[in-house]
Amino acid sequence: QKEVEQNSGPLSVPEGAIASLNCTYSDRGSQSFFWYRQYSGKSPELIMFIYSNGDKEDGRFTAQLNKASQYVSLLIRDSQPSDSATYLCAVLGSEISGGYNKLIFGAGTRLAVHP
Amino acid sequence: EAGVTQFPSHSVIEKGQTVTLRCDPISGHDNLYWYRRVMGKEIKFLLHFVKESKQDESGMPNNRFLAERTGGTYSTLKVQPAELEDSGVYFCASSQEGQGTDTQYFGPGTRLTVL
Repeated sequence: QKEVEQNSGPLSVPEGAIASLNCTYSDRGSQSFFWYRQYSGKSPELIMFIYSNGDKEDGRFTAQLNKASQYVSLLIRDSQPSDSATYLCAVLGSEISGGYNKLIFGAGTRLAVHP
Repeated sequence: EAGVTQFPSHSVIEKGQTVTLRCDPISGHDNLYWYRRVMGKEIKFLLHFVKESKQDESGMPNNRFLAERTGGTYSTLKVQPAELEDSGVYFCASSQEGQGTDTQYFGPGTRLTVL
């Protein structure tokens, strides 16, 4: 079992729709969760972070966390073609996974928003 | 404010040669991290500096890899001798002081190709 699992996609949504990206993690000790966006050949860019159960909204983005189910999601409302990228879910390690400071990444989900 | 910078952006070397990658973190960031993404795999943690001290080097693959951060500013990652499996993108990230919950900002990466 991978430490952080994401569907590789591609996830194809029409412009203006809601894109839903999902991530599960195995380390029950993890407390901090991040979503990064990566355009091809570029560096990962932070979109959202979430520490508490529930929803966190920032503009068109909403992160959702359920620690009991070890599940994190990212919703993108009113999707735009410029949102087309790979979205990386990252979990901050805990003592269980061998370190508090390292990010553990999923393989990423490719999102394609078509006009 | 300048972001994390890395040099070179690309490096092509032959097996057995030595390569040194450089990372300049965001000014004032005490934490510096090295990550690597090999073809088709997730981004993986290599090591973490706090100022000039190695806090966690559990992700370093073997003793052919040497990371330094003299003076607590920029960092270098040397691979000697390089092997074919070292090919990939090497990312550097930095964050402010704190324990784990601080957001890590990534540089553009160095694409290393070992022939």
